Amino acid sequence: GAVVSQHPSWVICKSGTSVKIECRSLDFQATTMFWYRQFPKQSLMLMATSNEGSKATYEQGVEKDKFLINHASLTLSTLTVTSAHPEDSSFYICRTGEGNEQYFGPGTRLTVT
Amino acid sequence: GDSVTQMEGPVTLSEEAFLTINCTYTATGYPSLFWYVQYPGEGLQLLLKATKADDKGSNKGFEATYRKETTSFHLEKGSVQVSDSAVYFCAHLKNQGGKLIFGQGTELSVKP
Repeated sequence: GAVVSQHPSWVICKSGTSVKIECRSLDFQATTMFWYRQFPKQSLMLMATSNEGSKATYEQGVEKDKFLINHASLTLSTLTVTSAHPEDSSFYICRTGEGNEQYFGPGTRLTVT
Repeated sequence: GDSVTQMEGPVTLSEEAFLTINCTYTATGYPSLFWYVQYPGEGLQLLLKATKADDKGSNKGFEATYRKETTSFHLEKGSVQVSDSAVYFCAHLKNQGGKLIFGQGTELSVKP
């Protein structure tokens, strides 16, 4: 199957700063990318869906001005957490795929101090 | 709306015990169904999947059968090992839009 990488795998930042998470599809043309976050001991919650070259569609309750998603190419999507706060500390995971073939990134653990 | 419901955990078993983790779903149409496994501190790995009614997905001794009549996709394994300790997620894929809907996850702990 396709390989999806995320960078960084973990990051610690200070409250009020911004953090960018990259999701790269190494051998698959990622027309659509889904971004999830997972709080400890909880399930994955879909944050937004992005299509290459278009604006992302955000799930209810997710602030689009806080979680900026860019999907400018078929191999790269980025999630920027702006003005991060401790409550944004979470595990962020990207996913792409086609039909029944779904490919997850390994996740990025964000800790905001 | 569409949803996935799993049995609550944590589930604690002794090595070589039989495992069942229940999963039921609500969906329009006939979604594809998946089981994912997440080991501590790691991302998700696909364990098995089934794409149509009566299909059986299997992998590493785990099995699940797509039951349309009961809208279920229960995960089973005949003899669990300590290395199976992880969190298991049931999910269904909406045909339109590609959204993957997850259950809440079931933590499995296998004791030697």
